Amino acid sequence: AQRVTQPEKLLSVFKGAPVELKCNYSYSGSPELFWYVQYSRQRLQLLLRHISRESIKGFTADLNKGETSFHLKKPFAQEEDSAMYYCALNGGANNLFFGTGTRLTVIP
Amino acid sequence: DAGVIQSPRHEVTEMGQEVTLRCKPISGHNSLFWYRQTMMRGLELLIYFNNNVPIDDSGMPEDRFSAKMPNASFSTLKIQPSEPRDSAVYFCASSLNPGQKYFGEGSWLTVV
Repeated sequence: AQRVTQPEKLLSVFKGAPVELKCNYSYSGSPELFWYVQYSRQRLQLLLRHISRESIKGFTADLNKGETSFHLKKPFAQEEDSAMYYCALNGGANNLFFGTGTRLTVIP
Repeated sequence: DAGVIQSPRHEVTEMGQEVTLRCKPISGHNSLFWYRQTMMRGLELLIYFNNNVPIDDSGMPEDRFSAKMPNASFSTLKIQPSEPRDSAVYFCASSLNPGQKYFGEGSWLTVV
């Protein structure tokens, strides 16, 4: 069965500190993973997808099939990074399974 | 394109009343999704449509919830009768490619 686990509901870091938002998944096939971000009272936006291997707003995420993880990282957190972050797995059949989300707060 | 459009943005209603949430997907998209967001459970998929046909409604919590998509440009999510535990943010999303979903701004529902 497909499952996405984000173990931290809340994460606080100081501005300028590194940040890592954890995501683990369970999927029997070849996974397609995403990170979505939701700024305060705004719609969810796609932040990045693993197949693009890109860096968006300084964030990167590497798919580790051995550890079944897709952690989101940024070396130096900024205040504007404060938001809700969701890890998501494409479970096939055009479905997207979301984790429960991690609320990141960057302390000035 | 204005993106996925949802209405109402906010609704406060009394327990027992009927609630109808509306969604206009991005033109040309062939899939539409309804999600519910709560603090406890995060984002949950309620139902999704492909080419206006409901594909998976296993996430619909109970019979009080129903969703329709009469045409490619409009969908509704109805709760009848509403209960306080239905209070949440309801998001609509549409897509053309699997995985690349575009979300609306959400409908904030409060049932008192």
